Amino acid sequence: GENVEQHPSTLSVQEGDSAVIKCTYSDSASNYFPWYKQELGKRPQLIIDIRSNVGEKKDQRIAVTLNKTAKHFSLHITETQPEDSAVYFCAAGYDKVIFGPGTSLSVIP
Amino acid sequence: DTGVSQDPRHKITKRGQNVTFRCDPISEHNRLYWYRQTLGQGPEFLTYFQNEAQLEKSRLLSDRFSAERPKGSFSTLEIQRTEQGDSAMYLCASSLAGTGASEQYFGPGTRLTVT
Repeated sequence: GENVEQHPSTLSVQEGDSAVIKCTYSDSASNYFPWYKQELGKRPQLIIDIRSNVGEKKDQRIAVTLNKTAKHFSLHITETQPEDSAVYFCAAGYDKVIFGPGTSLSVIP
Repeated sequence: DTGVSQDPRHKITKRGQNVTFRCDPISEHNRLYWYRQTLGQGPEFLTYFQNEAQLEKSRLLSDRFSAERPKGSFSTLEIQRTEQGDSAMYLCASSLAGTGASEQYFGPGTRLTVT
């Protein structure tokens, strides 16, 4: 069945360092790969997404890369700030998306 | 507020009772999704609609769960004969999609506690 794996489950970085979260997916028909940020007690919010006709996308300090052959994609956050601390979810799919289990990111001031 | 809204925000019920949740999507959005989220996990797909048509329901979803979107606007999710394992946050999301998926906007969720 459809499955999305995500690593690491927790990540702690010093302020100003980079953070990388990696995901793999099983459904080769997937063509849409969003990343959501969820702060404690809040709803998930989209931070960046990529489609399968693009290998990399960047938005200020956030970038996502996609390797369709290997069925994996990654989120890169540079120059991390304390307000980046949250749980990050990757997702993959076509008409619907399947979410990964999440990565809890802590940015230490 | 023109975002996705859900009602109620919290629901406590006794095991065996039926509960119904409502989701009002962003008005021009044609797709509506229901998810369940437990602590420390990602949103788990339950079902989704395109306009009033229910296009897919998770194979893992019990027959006790049913959802409707009768006029292609708001949606309801009903859980019959609730069990303690149904305790979770139920999230609704909507999107404006053509072919394939697109950005989903989530509601605040309904937190269900089954005692």
